[in-house]
Amino acid sequence: GAVVSQHPSRVICKSGTSVKIECRSLDFQATTMFWYRQFPKQSLMLMATSNEGSKATYEQGVEKDKFLINHASLTLSTLTVTSAHPEDSSFYICSARQGLENTEAFFGQGTRLTVV
Amino acid sequence: RKEVEQDPGPFNVPEGATVAFNCTYSNSASQSFFWYRQDCRKEPKLLMSVYSSGNEDGRFTAQLNRASQYISLLIRDSKLSDSATYLCVVSGGYGGATNKLIFGTGTLLAVQP
Repeated sequence: GAVVSQHPSRVICKSGTSVKIECRSLDFQATTMFWYRQFPKQSLMLMATSNEGSKATYEQGVEKDKFLINHASLTLSTLTVTSAHPEDSSFYICSARQGLENTEAFFGQGTRLTVV
Repeated sequence: RKEVEQDPGPFNVPEGATVAFNCTYSNSASQSFFWYRQDCRKEPKLLMSVYSSGNEDGRFTAQLNRASQYISLLIRDSKLSDSATYLCVVSGGYGGATNKLIFGTGTLLAVQP
């Protein structure tokens, strides 16, 4: 079964509204989770690293005020897309690793966001 | 230069064929290497880790050349179910940014009956 659960799997929202995506590790504690975005026919692009109890680390070019990340507990990280626009429409995926190097990363099922 | 580069394909091969994918990475301090498989509109799933000594799992063989910063994946006796996008993934070597995975663009494989 899934070890990382992401919700919702699909969301359609109007321009200007905000959307929250949840990512939960089900049977392990994840001090670090990762958020990726994938546009059609492109690879996963790392957006930010979510750190439990501290601020997220954003990749270059990702607006931290637009993509709000909260990692309130060892099993939950949330990504909020604020004031969404059609160009934010994408596939958002979270990931968590149980340990350090050479350990498998588990991915959530992804959230397909469509902004109309 | 992209951190992880792959030939995007598509690779169209008949069932039973042997196909090889290549990948190069730019960060010489990278420490961990993986091949992931992604089916259309699904999340990536680990296919295999890649070790310096090379490793094999059934029909799949992965190799790593640290000197050339090059990773490969060989699939023998291709099955229709192997059709997917294969992602080369690199981790480590980013200082305080713990464990983040950097993905290549992916190589699309289409196995034909």
